[in-house]
Formats: sequence, structure tokens, C-alpha cells
Amino acid sequence: DVKVTQSSRYLVKRTGEKVFLECVQDMDHENMFWYRQDPGLGLRLIYFSYDVKMKEKGDIPEGYSVSREKKERFSLILESASTNQTSMYLCASSHPFWRGSRGLAKNIQYFGAGTRLSVL
Amino acid sequence: KQEVTQIPAALSVPEGENLVLNCSFTDSAIYNLQWFRQDPGKGLTSLLLIQSSQREQTSGRLNASLDKSSGRSTLYIAASQPGDSATYLCAPLGEYGNKLVFGAGTILRVKS
Repeated sequence: DVKVTQSSRYLVKRTGEKVFLECVQDMDHENMFWYRQDPGLGLRLIYFSYDVKMKEKGDIPEGYSVSREKKERFSLILESASTNQTSMYLCASSHPFWRGSRGLAKNIQYFGAGTRLSVL
Repeated sequence: KQEVTQIPAALSVPEGENLVLNCSFTDSAIYNLQWFRQDPGKGLTSLLLIQSSQREQTSGRLNASLDKSSGRSTLYIAASQPGDSATYLCAPLGEYGNKLVFGAGTILRVKS
């Protein structure tokens, strides 16, 4: 059974703190993603990684950085947390879309349960 | 830039009804389209992935159709149940990237 695990379900941090959100997948996926989800704004892509040590900015990267030292782990870092970063954070992983050998199941994105972060 | 619209934004139906959720997208150059379900406070669960070369994909009581040229997809839920209550999101994947673009979702409530 596929699994994407986010280290925390709920986090409360103070303004200015450095925050690490961790995500681990056990499916040997090349791609990993970090999204944030806010009421009325839907899911927005923060960063994604298509390989170890590779990263690409999504739609809203400001105030965030990421780290991918191992294939199974993708970390989202808030260097100095601010109240406008209070949100639900979702991690996802997938094979690249060109992996045709895996048939119709290729490229499905699998999501973690989410981390609800409150910055006070 | 791809924009995804889902209609209706919310839907409340009695148990047993068949229903249709609509998704439209502005850029028809897509590789595939996924439908997801999200329960309150939880992550997303992939329901169906339909390739750009396909017209339909079925899983149990769910059927997704895709009309790539007109930029539309529908999710059909047969014989709805209270357990189907959730938010449903569609997300096309562009041909030149690995990134999904999500609609805002349809909030479904099935009343018993």
C-alpha cells in the first residue's frame, strides 16, 4: 500500500521561528511536492523536486525553502515563520509523467494527511 | 497559464441520487487529468486518472469523462451515499511539466 507520511498533523509556532515540515514516501517516486491549502484559494504549489538535490519553484515560493537530500524525503523550511503562513500544508509524490511502462497508474499523485500549521 | 473551474461549488443531495460534477480548464494541452476526494482536515485521495487519449475511466460507482478539445471533464457518481460526502477536486497535468493545477473543488453533501 502506498504511503506518504508527514511528520506532524498539527504544529503551533511563534512568529520568527524556523520551522521544518518533513515528508517521507515509500514508493520510490522521483517527484515530490509541497502545497499549501487555504479557504477560497484552493491548493497552491510551493515547491517541487524531480530528483535528489533538484528543486523547482512553484507558484508561491516566497518565504519558503526546501531540501531533498534523499529520494524518499522532502523537507519544507520556513526560515522565519510569519502569521500569513498559517495554513494547511500538503505533501505529495509521484512518478514522472513520462514513465509509460507503468501503464495507466503512472503519474498518480499520492498525498500525505497534511500538517495544519498555526503561526502566532 | 492553466485555470481550472469547478461547478457547482457546493451540492447537497438526498441519498441515492445520481450526480454530476463539472470541471473545465482553459489550456487543452494536457497529458492527463486526476479527480481527487478530500475529507475535512485530511489529505487528498486519488479517485481516477484519465489519460488525454481516453474518453472515460470507471471505478465502482464513479465514472470520469474527458473532452480534451473542449477543456471539460465530468465526474459522475451513481447512487450516492452519505459516505460520499467530501470535497471533490479535479486537476489537469500539462503536457510540458509535472505539475498539477487544481480547481477550487465541489463540496458534496449526501443526506441520509
